[in-house]
Amino acid sequence: ETGVTQTPRHLVMGMTNKKSLKCEQHLGHNAMYWYKQSAKKPLELMFVYSLEERVENNSVPSRFSPECPNSSHLFLHLHTLQPEDSALYLCASSQDGTGTYEQYFGPGTRLTVT
Amino acid sequence: DQQVKQNSPSLSVQEGRISILNCDYTNSMFDYFLWYKKYPAEGPTFLISISSIKDKNEDGRFTVFLNKSAKHLSLHIVPSQPGDSAVYFCAASARLTGGGNKLTFGTGTQLKVEL
Repeated sequence: ETGVTQTPRHLVMGMTNKKSLKCEQHLGHNAMYWYKQSAKKPLELMFVYSLEERVENNSVPSRFSPECPNSSHLFLHLHTLQPEDSALYLCASSQDGTGTYEQYFGPGTRLTVT
Repeated sequence: DQQVKQNSPSLSVQEGRISILNCDYTNSMFDYFLWYKKYPAEGPTFLISISSIKDKNEDGRFTVFLNKSAKHLSLHIVPSQPGDSAVYFCAASARLTGGGNKLTFGTGTQLKVEL
């Protein structure tokens, strides 16, 4: 595997379900991110982890719960979601501290909440 | 309040001609700007970036220009190729105190390069 991978690619869940999105980066980076892209809206930053510590929570509702067990893996735990949470969820990683700012994205998980 | 704006939702260009994609921002604290390309069913792919202390960066067919006084940047693709057809996102970066950086994205411009 290379780059940033995400599983599953597609997910349909009911409002009472609990599910998790998984992200893995194979780039040796030390920062990881969750973004949300809703229809007709720009990508919105949700969470940032740097060196496995959460450094940013962009006013995200508590029904979204991130977890970063190590520098290569990032999870987004979902519970009691609403239909308006249906969106494309993207994971990204970057190498902090090198003077570069590029983030590298995975293919995303298309989430539908019914 | 949208801090990064791409006012053209779509652009159509003939193969071989120049494509110019534009982006405006409002926050003077952004210190780095990036362009991403996105194909359907894929994540955004990094294309080119520019530091706020520079006014031009070139990489092959792609050149990014930054006008800080106007808070405006543009991406030039020349010559345009059919494979360049995709959605192009402008993003502005701000460092986070605890590490990492926050990217603020525009809404994207759909580029179509026609034969």
